[in-house]
Amino acid sequence: DVKVTQSSRYLVKRTGEKVFLECVQDMDHENMFWYRQDPGLGLRLIYFSYDVKMKEKGDIPEGYSVSREKKERFSLILESASTNQTSMYLCASSLTAYGYTFGSGTRLTVV
Amino acid sequence: GEDVEQSLFLSVREGDSSVINCTYTDSSSTYLYWYKQEPGAGLQLLTYIFSNMDMKQDQRLTVLLNKKDKHLSLRIADTQTGDSAIYFCAESGLGRGSQGNLIFGKGTKLSVKP
Repeated sequence: DVKVTQSSRYLVKRTGEKVFLECVQDMDHENMFWYRQDPGLGLRLIYFSYDVKMKEKGDIPEGYSVSREKKERFSLILESASTNQTSMYLCASSLTAYGYTFGSGTRLTVV
Repeated sequence: GEDVEQSLFLSVREGDSSVINCTYTDSSSTYLYWYKQEPGAGLQLLTYIFSNMDMKQDQRLTVLLNKKDKHLSLRIADTQTGDSAIYFCAESGLGRGSQGNLIFGKGTKLSVKP
């Protein structure tokens, strides 16, 4: 069964910490995405990547960066966590336009 | 820019049919999708329809596409309490390159009352 695995289901971090959210897919997909999900706002695209070492800004990249050193792994980095980054973070991967496969999500709380 | 809209809430009684509606603006959409998100989980692809189709049926699910009006609907027959979830409509279009980034609606929260 194909999978997108997010390393943590729940995380609690302090304001100002550097936070790494990891996502690994085993489907050899080229495309990987990071979204955040907030009530009433739906899914908002943070960053995406079409290939190793490539990255593109999404709709809300401020305060975030990403790393894609290997095809299967796409990391989201919060350089200095703030309380307004408390959210559910969802990773997804896709081969073409044939839909995305999502991970289970990481619920991040910044205190 | 492109947009996908859907109502935020729907409440039905167990055993009734549910119809979740979605409108989109991108006329170049090639695929349209329905995703389901159960509480605390990621999104799961429910079904999709190619833009040259009018209807697709899969067991209790029926997807209707009116390309002229850019309207997509998901009908769930004999709705069960296990169908309670958030349902997202999404579309992909050639206008966003070969990668076909999806545009998602904000999701419709379906509540099924016993």
